[in-house]
Amino acid sequence: SQQGEEDPQALSIQEGENATMNCSYKTSINNLQWYRQNSGRGLVHLILIRSNEREKHSGRLRVTLDTSKKSSSLLITASRAADTASYFCATDNAGGTSYGKLTFGQGTILTVHP
Amino acid sequence: DVKVTQSSRYLVKRTGEKVFLECVQDMDHENMFWYRQDPGLGLRLIYFSYDVKMKEKGDIPEGYSVSREKKERFSLILESASTNQTSMYLCASSLFGQRMSSYNSPLHFGNGTRLTVT
Repeated sequence: SQQGEEDPQALSIQEGENATMNCSYKTSINNLQWYRQNSGRGLVHLILIRSNEREKHSGRLRVTLDTSKKSSSLLITASRAADTASYFCATDNAGGTSYGKLTFGQGTILTVHP
Repeated sequence: DVKVTQSSRYLVKRTGEKVFLECVQDMDHENMFWYRQDPGLGLRLIYFSYDVKMKEKGDIPEGYSVSREKKERFSLILESASTNQTSMYLCASSLFGQRMSSYNSPLHFGNGTRLTVT
């Protein structure tokens, strides 16, 4: 079953605007991670937030986590054309033996117009 | 920087063929993973390995097997390729092999192998 689900599925904005993507999940987690994928390439890790954290920043990225609502958001501020990519949330699910395997959502396609 | 290398970017195989997808990582990572990515379905875990010769089924292992004879190499095997296995295959590795998963390092991905089965 699908654990992480991103919303919206696609987002189109102008350069300089902020982009917000949301992720919902169903089971308890140890941590939640966001990844970026440029067209035809592998995924690149952006940021990890643990279940006991509520907010994390990295450069122009801001991630929030609400475990009571089982949701997370990724905010990219002052977007650039180079931010055009697909963005995925992934959860490291609690319970049992994890070994670091992640469950991914379907992704949000972000297009930033120059 | 961690480098995860997948042997082929594009592969075309015929139905019924045995297919090997190879993945090598150069950072002595314990964990290695095989995902497939399909439009509308996101990434789904096929198999993973947390040590040499160890393997665990993921969410969709049917029709696949894996081999990990050396720590740096993790192979995905399609025993008898079928058209529904046409997909993008992504290999990944991560550092920690422990059960303290809240401290697990992120996954490092290869660039993927786009497999077409005709």
